[in-house]
Amino acid sequence: AQSVTQPDIHITVSEGASLELRCNYSYGATPYLFWYVQSPGQGLQLLLKYFSGDTLVQGIKGFEAEFKRSQSSFNLRKPSVHWSDAAEYFCAVGVQGAQKLVFGQGTRLTINP
Amino acid sequence: VTQTPKFQVLKTGQSMTLQCAQDMNHEYMSWYRQDPGLGLRLIYFSYDVKMKEKGDIPEGYSVSREKKERFSLILESASTNQTSMYLCGSGRGQETQYFGPGTRLLVL
Repeated sequence: AQSVTQPDIHITVSEGASLELRCNYSYGATPYLFWYVQSPGQGLQLLLKYFSGDTLVQGIKGFEAEFKRSQSSFNLRKPSVHWSDAAEYFCAVGVQGAQKLVFGQGTRLTINP
Repeated sequence: VTQTPKFQVLKTGQSMTLQCAQDMNHEYMSWYRQDPGLGLRLIYFSYDVKMKEKGDIPEGYSVSREKKERFSLILESASTNQTSMYLCGSGRGQETQYFGPGTRLLVL
């Protein structure tokens, strides 16, 4: 069965520090991969997606993610975080294309001033 | 994507319909529930009017899609374990899925 694992439930980083959020997936075919962000009281916003091609994808708000097939990973990175990045981040794999999603458990990001 | 209501309190055994609407002419619509530590889990999925498919956790729920732009989630007899945040998504083909702001449901 398809699954997504986000090993870190909660991460705290200092403002200006670099960030990496981990995501591992289990899926038999070539995956469609997504990172969404949810700010407090808000809906989900797409940060970036990978369908095919270049394995390093750029997203909004300065985020990027790298697809590594050999490691079944799709980790999210940002070189310097801002206080406004505090939110919950969800990794997801698309089953039957991009419209049926299996989500990870989420990683809550706290930013220290 | 819009969802109504934003918040609802129900008593055990009551029925409730959560509404979702989109104005982007998307053929795909879906319902997820979000619980702490579990992420989002797919309840039902629809790929066309009157067409639906069960997701991972359909028990206790039903859905209705009479028009392309609307997808309703129905709780026939609410139970306390259905207390959750419900998110509706919509999309087209291989494009991005968009999500509504959610409906927070509390069943007492």
